[in-house]
Amino acid sequence: AQSVTQLDSQVPVFEEAPVELRCNYSSSVSVYLFWYVQYPNQGLQLLLKYLSGSTLVKGINGFEAEFNKSQTSFHLRKPSVHISDTAEYFCAVSDGYGNKLVFGAGTILRVKS
Amino acid sequence: EPEVTQTPSHQVTQMGQEVILRCVPISNHLYFYWYRQILGQKVEFLVSFYNNEISEKSEIFDDQFSVERPDGSNFTLKIRSTKLEDSAMYFCASSEPGSYGYTFGSGTRLTVV
Repeated sequence: AQSVTQLDSQVPVFEEAPVELRCNYSSSVSVYLFWYVQYPNQGLQLLLKYLSGSTLVKGINGFEAEFNKSQTSFHLRKPSVHISDTAEYFCAVSDGYGNKLVFGAGTILRVKS
Repeated sequence: EPEVTQTPSHQVTQMGQEVILRCVPISNHLYFYWYRQILGQKVEFLVSFYNNEISEKSEIFDDQFSVERPDGSNFTLKIRSTKLEDSAMYFCASSEPGSYGYTFGSGTRLTVV
């Protein structure tokens, strides 16, 4: 069975500082990894995904993530955050096309001025 | 950009009543999903639907839940006899052929009183 662990429930950071949101997964088969963002009272928006190939994946809004198979991690990073990045971020894993996504518990990113 | 549309955005219902949550997936997508998010908790998979039948369901998706694609465009989730613990945000999602692009709707907030 697959599972996702997001190690931080909340991450406070000052504007223009770098941030890393951590995600570890477990799966017995091939994995496809995703990061979604949820702004207050809104739905889930895809930030980026890893399917295969280069382990460094670039997404929208300046975010990137690195797939590390040996450490079973898929941490999300941004070199300089903005107030508008304040949101909840979810890491998710799937084991195949059409199969369900399994989500982590989410990390609330709070960007302070 | 194509969207997954969910209606209504908010619904309040009395305990024991039946509710139907509606979704219009993206037109060329073939896989459809329902997820729910209880306030403050992680996003949980309920059911996936492909080729007019359920392809996978979770333990949450018991006999009080059902899904239907009645007319080739809508995808509905019915809860037969709502309970207080069914209060949650319900998300519909769809994915396109040959891709891992899961697109989520903006959700229906269901409140059972």
